[in-house]
Amino acid sequence: SQQGEEDPQALSIQEGENATMNCSYKTSINNLQWYRQNSGRGLVHLILIRSNEREKHSGRLRVTLDTSKKSSSLLITASRAADTASYFCVEAGGTSYGKLTFGQGTILTVHP
Amino acid sequence: KAGVTQTPRYLIKTRGQQVTLSCSPISGHRSVSWYQQTPGQGLQFLFEYFSETQRNKGNFPGRFSGRQFSNSRSEMNVSTLELGDSALYLCASSYGGVLNTEAFFGQGTRLTVV
Repeated sequence: SQQGEEDPQALSIQEGENATMNCSYKTSINNLQWYRQNSGRGLVHLILIRSNEREKHSGRLRVTLDTSKKSSSLLITASRAADTASYFCVEAGGTSYGKLTFGQGTILTVHP
Repeated sequence: KAGVTQTPRYLIKTRGQQVTLSCSPISGHRSVSWYQQTPGQGLQFLFEYFSETQRNKGNFPGRFSGRQFSNSRSEMNVSTLELGDSALYLCASSYGGVLNTEAFFGQGTRLTVV
C-alpha cells in the first residue's frame, strides 16, 4: 500500500487547547493536502501545501511539510467542539492526476 | 456555486445485482474521481476521469467501472454485487486534477449489499 501513516490515531482534548497531528507519507509528492470528515459536513478540504513550501497557514490551521523526512504536521489552535472530526493527510503526486492517497486518519475529539 | 452532487444518497441492493451511482461535479470542473470508504480499508481510490477519458485506475476488480459524459457528469457501476461492496462511495471533482488544486467531495452514496 502507498498509504502514509498518521499519528496519533486518536486524540482527545479540551476546548481551547491546541491539537497537533502528524503524518508520514511514502511517495514523491506534488502536494500534500489535509481533509476533515465528520458526519455533518462530509469530507472537506482544509489546506494544500506544495512540495516546495515548508509552512502554510489558514485561519486556526498551520501545516508544515518536510520533504526530506516525508512528513507533515497539522496544528489546530484554540480548538472548538466543532473541530471534532477525522483528519486525513492526503498525498497527490507523480502522474496521479485525480488520485488522492489517504492515510487512516486521526480521530480528534474536542470536549466542551 | 453548487457543490458536488451524488445520487442516490442511500441504496440497498441484493448480492448479484448491479448498481449505478451518479455524480455531478462543480460547474467548470473537468476531473471527477471516485473513492470507496469502508471501516476496514479506509478511503480507497477507484478511478478518475477527465474530459470523458479515464486517466487513472485503482486496484479494484473489473466489476467496478465508470464513465464520464461530455458535461463532466460521471457514473460508476458495480456489477455482480458482493457483500464486501457495502461502503460509502464518494465522488470528488477538481478543476484539472489534484496535482495542483484541491478536490471537492460530495456527500456520498451509502451502498448496503444484503
